[in-house]
Amino acid sequence: GAVVSQHPSWVICKSGTSVKIECRSLDFQATTMFWYRQFPKKSLMLMATSNEGSKATYEQGVEKDKFLINHASLTLSTLTVTSAHPEDSSFYICSARDKLAGSGIAKNIQYFGAGTRLSVL
Amino acid sequence: GQNIDQPTEMTATEGAIVQINCTYQTSGFNGLFWYQQHAGEAPTFLSYNVLDGLEEKGRFSSFLSRSKGYSYLLLKELQMKDSASYLCAVRPQGNNAGNMLTFGGGTRLMVKP
Repeated sequence: GAVVSQHPSWVICKSGTSVKIECRSLDFQATTMFWYRQFPKKSLMLMATSNEGSKATYEQGVEKDKFLINHASLTLSTLTVTSAHPEDSSFYICSARDKLAGSGIAKNIQYFGAGTRLSVL
Repeated sequence: GQNIDQPTEMTATEGAIVQINCTYQTSGFNGLFWYQQHAGEAPTFLSYNVLDGLEEKGRFSSFLSRSKGYSYLLLKELQMKDSASYLCAVRPQGNNAGNMLTFGGGTRLMVKP
């Protein structure tokens, strides 16, 4: 099946530093990738939709200058948390849809990365 | 707006059957997904319903009623490894975001011996 690789899986940083998280589709092409944030025991909150070759679409309340998204190729999207603060500590998960999945169920499935746990001290 | 409701927690016994309900009120509808997520891991796809009725896949089945804005996930012959969070997600219709999903709060299922 389709595999999404997300790195790093865990990062600890000092307040004020920037952290980059990578999301790669390993065996398929993804025109669109999604970035979610998840708080403990809570569900996934969509932060932004990453579009290959164009600007990301951010959800209401998400600061685009705070969470920089770059989708430079069909297999890679990055999320950079700039000037991280303790309140940014969270579990960040990306997902991707197979561009060439054809018709039916397969084209509608989002495949998720394993997530990145960010702890800002 | 989008509103997706599911119970926060459920407990069931190994070998039993459990039904996890999900109700939704969204601006349009273009499919409902169920994902399983173990703590600290990525959500994994379980099922997808776009038409009314029951979809069966092994021990897991998912039902959809579009007129009622209602779905359920049925888990049979529960195993300890089924202890996880189950996420209901809806894809609203007509968005330009390439199949954006809106997730419910998730249901934490605990399977006891």
